[in-house]
Amino acid sequence: EADIYQTPRYLVIGTGKKITLECSQTMGHDKMYWYQQDPGMELHLIHYSYGVNSTEKGDLSSESTVSRIRTEHFPLTLESARPSHTSQYLCASSEQQQGPFSYNEQFFGPGTRLTVL
Amino acid sequence: KNQVEQSPQSLIILEGKNCTLQCNYTVSPFSNLRWYKQDTGRGPVSLTIMTFSENTKSNGRYTATLDADTKQSSLHITASQLSDSASYICVVSDRGSTLGRLYFGRGTQLTVWP
Repeated sequence: EADIYQTPRYLVIGTGKKITLECSQTMGHDKMYWYQQDPGMELHLIHYSYGVNSTEKGDLSSESTVSRIRTEHFPLTLESARPSHTSQYLCASSEQQQGPFSYNEQFFGPGTRLTVL
Repeated sequence: KNQVEQSPQSLIILEGKNCTLQCNYTVSPFSNLRWYKQDTGRGPVSLTIMTFSENTKSNGRYTATLDADTKQSSLHITASQLSDSASYICVVSDRGSTLGRLYFGRGTQLTVWP
């Protein structure tokens, strides 16, 4: 079944730890995205990728890094987690845009709730 | 500045009642507008997507309207159910970039009481 997966769903870690949030999709989408969302606030784009070996920073500055070695996999890494990184991280994917009026629908994973103590 | 504003911020209704959520946007050039439903602790799920030429679109008990002239949209929920309790997010896409950037509202938190 075509879907988008994120692991872990919940993560509680101490300050200074290195973490990797996993995101995989089985829809064959070229574009993938990472969003950060705090409670009651809008989603902010922190990273995106047009395809393999393509990564770009989003609107919201983030200390995290991403990689895109395979089409289906788009992991996010924090080298040294801090309490300010506590948030929900959402991964999404979409097909290549087929023109300026295409829907470009993004499909979201279930999210990872990160808490840094 | 491209923005999406939603109202009300939160809403409580009784099961079986109808409600309407509002969205105003300033995103330009406009491509499409979508409404997402986000359950607590989950990712958003698309309810409807409309381009500038579409005035209304339905998905079961959800009906979205769009007025591209006034840059307003509404989401009407009919005969609410307990499972409708969630955050409803208005999202607008622009056509000014190859990314098809999305602009998110903060959502309306809907609570349906029995």
